Amino acid sequence: AQTVTQSQPEMSVQEAETVTLSCTYDTSESDYYLFWYKQPPSRQMILVIRQEAYKQQNATENRFSVNFQKAAKSFSLKISDSQLGDAAMYFCAYRSFLQGGSEKLVFGKGTKLTVNP
Amino acid sequence: KAGVTQTPRYLIKTRGQQVTLSCSPISGHRSVSWYQQTPGQGLQFLFEYFSETQRNKGNFPGRFSGRQFSNSRSEMNVSTLELGDSALYLCASSPQPRSEQFFGPGTRLTVL
Repeated sequence: AQTVTQSQPEMSVQEAETVTLSCTYDTSESDYYLFWYKQPPSRQMILVIRQEAYKQQNATENRFSVNFQKAAKSFSLKISDSQLGDAAMYFCAYRSFLQGGSEKLVFGKGTKLTVNP
Repeated sequence: KAGVTQTPRYLIKTRGQQVTLSCSPISGHRSVSWYQQTPGQGLQFLFEYFSETQRNKGNFPGRFSGRQFSNSRSEMNVSTLELGDSALYLCASSPQPRSEQFFGPGTRLTVL
């Protein structure tokens, strides 16, 4: 079974600074998806960024980028120029790529990010 | 286009009762998944439906059941409620398997 581990329960960053959230995972599959989701206090889960394991290039979405290290099974999220609106719980998630595979997401426990003005 | 809607948003029940939660996916989305979120266990997968068929089920007791209708709306039912069932129940929809999932705001269930 796949597992996702987020070792940082809480992180804080100053506004306009950069922060990196860590995520490691365990799987025996060679093809899969990895995601970072954001859950603000309003509770609506929002997709921040996704990475297909077969792609070597790290995904980037505006101020959000990932460092995907497949051999190390590591998938960290970097937030640049942090804004107050980035404050939220961030979840790392794994999904199988198997043909006909499940939509099931396996989540880490989350990292609570605080952005200080 | 309207997002994923879940009703009710808040629910209070007592032990032993049963509850039904509803999820309306984004128009055109045929895949619906359910998750339970608790402070202790985090986010755990409950079920996944596509075109009225359950494709996958998480490791939950038989008290938890679900279904999907022909219009892709989904319901989940929990019978004989226990205190530990208190949680935020999230629904997510996607157009088809292996595409991006969009989450609803959740239903907060409190069991007294």
